[in-house]
Amino acid sequence: RKEVEQDPGPFNVPEGATVAFNCTYSNSASQSFFWYRQDCRKEPKLLMSVYSSGNEDGRFTAQLNRASQYISLLIRDSKLSDSATYLCVVISNTGGFKTIFGAGTRLFVKA
Amino acid sequence: GAVVSQHPSWVICKSGTSVKIECRSLDFQATTMFWYRQFPKQSLMLMATSNEGSKATYEQGVEKDKFLINHASLTLSTLTVTSAHPEDSSFYICSARDYNAYNEQFFGPGTRLTVL
Repeated sequence: RKEVEQDPGPFNVPEGATVAFNCTYSNSASQSFFWYRQDCRKEPKLLMSVYSSGNEDGRFTAQLNRASQYISLLIRDSKLSDSATYLCVVISNTGGFKTIFGAGTRLFVKA
Repeated sequence: GAVVSQHPSWVICKSGTSVKIECRSLDFQATTMFWYRQFPKQSLMLMATSNEGSKATYEQGVEKDKFLINHASLTLSTLTVTSAHPEDSSFYICSARDYNAYNEQFFGPGTRLTVL
């Protein structure tokens, strides 16, 4: 089982749609969680951190469920510019600081 | 957010040559930097963790004698791909950890290496 698993997609949605991504992680001792966005041939860029209480940034909402060991990202009112790969990132500090990337979920937003 | 630079942004070299890639944190000190490799349509794969003033920690399957890492200062880490071969062609990305930013990692823009 992979340490961080994501649905690879692709998700093809029309503009204005709401889309949700899930990500599961295997290490229950994981400490920090993030969603990154990566455009084609570019480096990943931080989209948002994920907290147990959930957090929202404009059209984006991230949730963490420690009991079930999954995190989610909800995008409302999708824009064409949201088309990208979304990476789930989990950081643990058991036996040393370690960052694990999910394989990413590809999103295509169509006009 | 913090800025990490990488140089060069792309390089084409002949098989057998060595290539050095620099990673710099521009506005913060990074005691830890990370080197990743990403093949087309695949996720980032951690190659090694670079610690300032000490030896790098390599992930399983990554040859430390082939991928030499030096982290001589708090703002600079270098990755040297020695005797590069076509299978080493990839997108190499570094990141630096900012302890003051809730464990956030800032990524460099990446270096695209093509070995002919």
